[in-house]
Amino acid sequence: EVQLVESGGGLVQPGGSLRLSCAASGFTFSSYWMSWVRQAPGKGLEWVANIKQDGSEKYYVDSVKGRFTISRDNAKNSLYLQMNSLRAEDTAVYYCARSPLNGGNFDYWGQGTLVTVSS
Amino acid sequence: DIQMTQSPSTLSASVGDRVTITCRASQSISSWLAWYQQKPGKAPKLLIYKASSLESGVPSRFSGSGSGTEFTLTISSLQPDDFATYYCQQYNSYPTFGGGTKVEIK
Repeated sequence: EVQLVESGGGLVQPGGSLRLSCAASGFTFSSYWMSWVRQAPGKGLEWVANIKQDGSEKYYVDSVKGRFTISRDNAKNSLYLQMNSLRAEDTAVYYCARSPLNGGNFDYWGQGTLVTVSS
Repeated sequence: DIQMTQSPSTLSASVGDRVTITCRASQSISSWLAWYQQKPGKAPKLLIYKASSLESGVPSRFSGSGSGTEFTLTISSLQPDDFATYYCQQYNSYPTFGGGTKVEIK
């Protein structure tokens, strides 16, 4: 059974940093593109970043470029999101999501972890 | 960026109704479109990919159609478990989502 379990969310002050983790199991993690998708309270979904199977390609939504870094450790079946210079508008539930081998949609999602940026 | 526009934003319907949700892309995305269902407090669930392909395990009352810039999600006979919010997502380029359609009980 495919499982994605996020952790690392919490309350952080504006300008602060946070590192999210996603533990994957039930599939060959190193074979899939992985993404972070977020959802602000009461709002829609927004793709944040994705990373190729070997980590050689990474892409970001414009609003987080230069502040967030996506990475992965295939030996540990884990995905990460380092978030720096956090702003109030980064407050959201952050989901880890897998893309299928032949597409850019998302076939499995974690349960999400809440990040709140507030003083 | 490719903008995705869903309509309506809210839809009131009864059990057994046929429901159609529309998603329009700001430029052609071929058939690179997915549909998701999300219930409160839960992660989205993939329903349809590549515009019309039904994800494994999803009931056949869900169907998708369209190509280019205009797409539809149809629920042939609405069931109690289908009251939720639905999102479209394009993956012709960097992924973007529609604003969502909330399906409410009439």
